[in-house]
Amino acid sequence: AQTVTQSQPEMSVQEAETVTLSCTYDTSENNYYLFWYKQPPSRQMILVIRQEAYKQQNAMENRFSVNFQKAAKSFSLKISDSQLGDTAMYFCAFTARGNMLTFGGGTRLMVKP
Amino acid sequence: GAVVSQHPSRVICKSGTSVKIECRSLDFQATTMFWYRQFPKQSLMLMATSNEGSKATYEQGVEKDKFLINHASLTLSTLTVTSAHPEDSSFYICSAATSRVSDSNQPQHFGDGTRLSIL
Repeated sequence: AQTVTQSQPEMSVQEAETVTLSCTYDTSENNYYLFWYKQPPSRQMILVIRQEAYKQQNAMENRFSVNFQKAAKSFSLKISDSQLGDTAMYFCAFTARGNMLTFGGGTRLMVKP
Repeated sequence: GAVVSQHPSRVICKSGTSVKIECRSLDFQATTMFWYRQFPKQSLMLMATSNEGSKATYEQGVEKDKFLINHASLTLSTLTVTSAHPEDSSFYICSAATSRVSDSNQPQHFGDGTRLSIL
């Protein structure tokens, strides 16, 4: 069974600064996908970024980038130039087979003005 | 594309009543739909997986007679909370799977959730 661990229940960052959210996972699979989802106070689940395990290059979407370390089974999310609208719960998620997602426990991020 | 509509967004009802939540894929066919429950400040907890035309698969600890799931078509799944009690109050989220994760940018497309409050 796969497990996803987010060791930081809560984090805060000053507006315009950079913050990194941690995620580790455990799996025996070789081919899989990793995701970061954002859940703002509205409770919508929004896909932030995705990474295919077979790709060595780290994914990047505008201010969001990941540091994917396959050997270490680590998948951290870096948010650059933090904005007030980045305040949300962030969930790391994993899938290997079909469409089943395994979620981490979440990190509550507060961006302070 | 890949829009999932969940209705209602909020419901308040008396203890003992049954509540139905609908999850519709608006612009795609979903062979698989998922139902999650989320407590405040916690992660999503998978309740069950439903495949069109077959019985839902429930996660351990989820009462199938309490949470009835129907997936009668490729675009609609419903969750009925039967004889609801205050402890059933929670945020419920559905999602729909379009195809293999390799063919889509994400494996599941989420509805906006339903806040259920049982008085």
